[in-house]
Amino acid sequence: NAGVTQTPKFQVLKTGQSMTLQCAQDMNHEYMSWYRQDPGMGLRLIHYSVGAGITDQGEVPNGYNVSRSTTEDFPLRLLSAAPSQTSVYFCASTPFPRGASPLHFGNGTRLTVT
Amino acid sequence: AQSVSQHNHHVILSEAASLELGCNYSYGGTVNLFWYVQYPGQHLQLLLKYFSGDPLVKGIKGFEAEFIKSKFSFNLRKPSVQWSDTAEYFCAVNEPSGYALNFGKGTSLLVTP
Repeated sequence: NAGVTQTPKFQVLKTGQSMTLQCAQDMNHEYMSWYRQDPGMGLRLIHYSVGAGITDQGEVPNGYNVSRSTTEDFPLRLLSAAPSQTSVYFCASTPFPRGASPLHFGNGTRLTVT
Repeated sequence: AQSVSQHNHHVILSEAASLELGCNYSYGGTVNLFWYVQYPGQHLQLLLKYFSGDPLVKGIKGFEAEFIKSKFSFNLRKPSVQWSDTAEYFCAVNEPSGYALNFGKGTSLLVTP
């Protein structure tokens, strides 16, 4: 049982490059989300999805795109990377409606933009 | 929008000392409350949660938390910490019908031998 799988684990980009962070879960969870973690800032929600074909913005969506074509996958796209996007990114999932269900986190992707 | 405040950003304790980490939230309605732990180099894991019933909840590894509705607080406690409790601790809150889970900024705990 893999849970939430994120790839890659590490990535270095140059300013202006694009890339996609992958997230997949095998628990049939409807709700998936992306957070970024920065020192002293805690976790901030970027985008989330409550099911295939449905996405919405979180607290810090600028510079990021998402899509949800299947229940399992929720990729995060950086169209033109900026140094301010240097961060650790976590994907998380949970059954929906969430209520008291906790989030299941992936192991994170550490992204550096130079 | 809800906000979650964690009062202690960095805490250093000796082994066997008692721990209490503060967490306050701003939302006045019914909420679900969580504490997550992140060990060095790892992802977040659930320590405990509260959604209804007994306001004193027990989690894994000897942690507990008390929900005090009148104070909008959900403080985390452990009677005697161990070196292996060194980690970052996050309080989080969401409305039962809400889509977003809001996190505090975290408290970094260092337990010295």
